[in-house]
Amino acid sequence: QSVLTQPPSASGTPGQRVTISCSGSSSNIGSNTVNWYQQLPGTAPKLLIYSNNQRPSGVPDRFSGSKSGTSASLAISGLQSEDEADYYCAAWDDSLNGSLWVFGTGTKVTVL
Amino acid sequence: EVQLVESGGGLVQPGGSLRLSCAASGFTFSSYSMNWVRQAPGKGLEWVSYISSSSSTIYYADSVKGRFTISRDNAKNSLYLQMNSLRDEDTAVYYCARETPILSFDYWGQGTLVTVSS
Repeated sequence: QSVLTQPPSASGTPGQRVTISCSGSSSNIGSNTVNWYQQLPGTAPKLLIYSNNQRPSGVPDRFSGSKSGTSASLAISGLQSEDEADYYCAAWDDSLNGSLWVFGTGTKVTVL
Repeated sequence: EVQLVESGGGLVQPGGSLRLSCAASGFTFSSYSMNWVRQAPGKGLEWVSYISSSSSTIYYADSVKGRFTISRDNAKNSLYLQMNSLRDEDTAVYYCARETPILSFDYWGQGTLVTVSS
């Protein structure tokens, strides 16, 4: 099963900007939109960004997403303590082996 | 308010079976595709299975193909996952998630823990 590659960790001090990368291939990120999910400790994942760069209602505008080619990025501007969580990218994958959802390996964000 | 509530998890021996349920409320269940996603202890998210709104299209991850069966009952607003021939590596929290028409999972349940162990 293919996966999307993310750095295992990222960190910053309050107020800093943190960026998380997500690397895929032509069959997933290269041809479909990217979503980002935030998972706070002990809770279910929550949709953070959809369609590459759209925020659901209620998500602060300090979270932003972008996509270029077969990679995507999530940026957190003005990092806050409550942003300490695991973040996952995801995309639909249309490969020769069939269609499926693929998730990133996950990035743990620590607020120093 | 949209709610997804999973149930049916528990401890099962390797080779055993378990049926998970996801009760949906607060939206027109029959209009949405649904998915199961799992998370092994301390690990990342792994997509398990997809079912379209009318059950006409179903997909499985290679890791569960031939052992798990996804189904739904739109009259009961419920999603199911029948898990057979369970293995140690199937131990995880299983989440049901609603899929939007623009390809994202906008609502998730709280999860139900499945432990496969002798």
